[in-house]
Amino acid sequence: AQSVTQLGSHVSVSEGALVLLRCNYSSSVPPYLFWYVQYPNQGLQLLLKYTSAATLVKGINGFEAEFKKSETSFHLTKPSAHMSDAAEYFCAVSEGSNYQLIWGAGTKLIIKP
Amino acid sequence: DSGVTQTPKHLITATGQRVTLRCSPRSGDLSVYWYQQSLDQGLQFLIQYYNGEERAKGNILERFSAQQFPDLHSELNLSSLELGDSALYFCASSESGTGRANYGYTFGSGTRLTVV
Repeated sequence: AQSVTQLGSHVSVSEGALVLLRCNYSSSVPPYLFWYVQYPNQGLQLLLKYTSAATLVKGINGFEAEFKKSETSFHLTKPSAHMSDAAEYFCAVSEGSNYQLIWGAGTKLIIKP
Repeated sequence: DSGVTQTPKHLITATGQRVTLRCSPRSGDLSVYWYQQSLDQGLQFLIQYYNGEERAKGNILERFSAQQFPDLHSELNLSSLELGDSALYFCASSESGTGRANYGYTFGSGTRLTVV
């Protein structure tokens, strides 16, 4: 069965530091992978998605993620954190034949000044 | 503006009451998904409709029901409300022409339900 694991319910980084949010998935076939961001009191917004084209996917707000099949990972990175990046980030997976996304539990990103 | 419209944005009601949440998907999207988000349960999938028909069911209580109308808007009905039903309820739509999730979703801004 598909599943998504996000390591760390909370991640804290200093402003200007590298952001790394981890996502590992299990899937029996090549997956479709997504990262969403949720700012306080708002809905979820698509950051980026992997759909079997380039393994390095660039998204909005300077974020990118790399699909690594051998590690079954799709970690989200940003070279330099900004205060406005403080939000909750969700990783999700679909096997393409599914009618719904399978979601990780979310990681709250805290930015220290 | 994501293109997915949810009304109302906030709702306060008493225990035992019934409420209806409304969602209009992005133009052209045939699938509508309903999610509940609470502090202790996280993001929970409730139900999916595709072109007017129920396509998938998640952790939806029997007190809850939904439907999708011919104009593709959807309503989520919550009845016999309990304090534990207080949560954010999100609607999302998908551009997939088959109802599958491989395109991802576009979310609305949610309805915050408070049961007192």
